[in-house]
Parts: sequence; C-alpha cells; structure tokens
Amino acid sequence: AQSVTQLDSQVPVFEEAPVELRCNYSSSVSVYLFWYVQYPNQGLQLLLKYLSGSTLVKGINGFEAEFNKSQTSFHLRKPSVHISDTAEYFCAVVTSGTYKYIFGTGTRLKVLA
Amino acid sequence: DARVTQTPRHKVTEMGQEVTMRCQPILGHNTVFWYRQTMMQGLELLAYFRNRAPLDDSGMPKDRFSAEMPDATLATLKIQPSEPRDSAVYFCASGLQSGNSPLHFGNGTRLTVT
Repeated sequence: AQSVTQLDSQVPVFEEAPVELRCNYSSSVSVYLFWYVQYPNQGLQLLLKYLSGSTLVKGINGFEAEFNKSQTSFHLRKPSVHISDTAEYFCAVVTSGTYKYIFGTGTRLKVLA
Repeated sequence: DARVTQTPRHKVTEMGQEVTMRCQPILGHNTVFWYRQTMMQGLELLAYFRNRAPLDDSGMPKDRFSAEMPDATLATLKIQPSEPRDSAVYFCASGLQSGNSPLHFGNGTRLTVT
C-alpha cells in the first residue's frame, strides 16, 4: 500500500530565506505526486504536481519540487519565502492506475518577519 | 470559478445526535472524496466514490458513519450517533476520473460534538 511521510511537522523560517519541506513516499508501483497548500479556515489548493517527464516541476507562488525516484522523495522548495507563505503544506501520492489520494500529515510553515 | 461547496461550515451538536454534512461537487467531476482532518491524525481518507458508486470506505467507522451520493450533484456524510471524538474538520473533494487529475477541495465542515 502507498504511504506518505512528511518528516517535519513545523518549519519556522525568516522572510526572504530559502525553505525546503520534505516528503517521502512508499509505493511498489509508479505514482503521481502532488503538493497542496492550506490557508487557515480553507480547503486545500493545488501547488504543483509531478506526473512524468522532467523531475523538476514548478508550481504557483514561486514553489518548485524535485522528484527523486531512487530516494522516493518529492521535496518542496522556495528560494525566498514571504510572510504570505505561512500555511500548512501537504504532500500527496496517487498510485498510477488508481485514483486513491493519500496525504501526508502536513508541514506547518511559519514565516517570521 | 467552479468550486466544491460544503454545508454547513460549522456544526455544534451534543453527543448522540445525528449529524449530516453535505457536499456539492464541481459540475462534471465524477469522483468525490471525504476526508477528516484533526491535529493528531492529519488528513484521513474516509471514503471515495466514482460515478456515484462507493469505491473504498475502509477508512470510515462503519458502525456510525455512512456516506452516499443520492445523485451526481450531492454527496452526504452522516454520523449517527455522534461522539466527542468525531470532532474534526470534514472535507469533501472532487475530481475527474484520472490519477493525474488534481482534487478540488471544499472549505470544510467544522464539527464539534459536546
């Protein structure tokens, strides 16, 4: 069965500093990978997705993620964060051939002034 | 801008009462998911439907929870009887039948059972 692990529950970072949010997955077959963002009192919104092809994918708000098959990772990065990036970020995996989305436990990003 | 609509946004009820949460998926989406979010467990998949048929409800406590899609524009999640441990935010999400298609989430129903 597939699973997703987000190693950091909280990540504090100063404004304009770079950030990396880690995500590792487990699956015996090929997968699709997603990052979602959740702002307070809202549902989740898609940030970016990896389906196939280039392992570096770019998303909205200046975020990008790199798929690493050998390390089964899909870490999210941003070179310079803003206060408005403060939110919770979720990694998700879908096994190819199914439509069963499994989410990680989330990483709360707090950007400090 | 099409979106998933969930009602009610907030619900406070007493233990033992029935709770019904509703979801209107985006028109044309044929897959609907129910998730429960808590601080301790994160996002738990409760059930999901494709073309109104339940595909997987293994994450749902069967003795008190039930999920249905009476038609393509409405999904319901019921809890009967409710318990304090059911307090959480319940999200509905919809999408197209394709593993590479992203999910679209509603804003959730915040349930408090006292």
